[in-house]
Amino acid sequence: EVLLVESGGGLVQPGGSLRVSCAASGFSLSNYWMAWVRQAPGKGLEWVANVNQNGDDSNYVDSVKGRFTISRDNARNSLYLQMDSLRPDDTAVYYCARDFGWGSYSPLWIFDFWGQGTLVSVSS
Amino acid sequence: QSALTQPASVSGSPGQSITVSCTGTSSDVGDYAHVSWYQQHPGEAPKLIIFDTSSRPSGISHRFSASKSGHTISLTISGLQTDDEADYYCSSYVRDRGLVFGGGTRLTVL
Repeated sequence: EVLLVESGGGLVQPGGSLRVSCAASGFSLSNYWMAWVRQAPGKGLEWVANVNQNGDDSNYVDSVKGRFTISRDNARNSLYLQMDSLRPDDTAVYYCARDFGWGSYSPLWIFDFWGQGTLVSVSS
Repeated sequence: QSALTQPASVSGSPGQSITVSCTGTSSDVGDYAHVSWYQQHPGEAPKLIIFDTSSRPSGISHRFSASKSGHTISLTISGLQTDDEADYYCSSYVRDRGLVFGGGTRLTVL
């Protein structure tokens, strides 16, 4: 069974940093592009970032470029999102998601499995 | 501002059919094949229900179908059930922007 379990969310002050993690099981992370998607309270979904199988290619939504870094540790079957210079509008549930394409060179931008999310709150 | 426009809400009675539209442009829905739909129940993670415009993942009911016409994709749910009450999001890749989601449509089953 494919499972994605996020952790590391919490309350952080504006300008602070936080790293959220996603532990994958039931499949080998090394075969898939992976992504983070967030959802602000009462709002819609927003794609944040994705990373290729080797971790040497990534993409970011404009609003987090230069502040967030997506990474992975395939040996630990884990995905990470390092968030720096956090702002109140980064407050959201952060979901880890698997891209549909097994072994795909490019992301398919289709997310077939999602974790339950971890809440990040940015407030003073 | 989402590049994909969805109605804020739709409603229907059990057993009826409803359609949710998602309107984009030639830069997204009109140009990209991997358009998807997600269902999200309150307090839960999104769930993929349609990919590649009209394909269903394994385990998704045949009551869910989708189509594309020009720059608009449409999700149809037939034989509405109370459990279909949820938020529905379309998504499409947009060049230089990455993945974009529609604003979401709240389905109420009356």
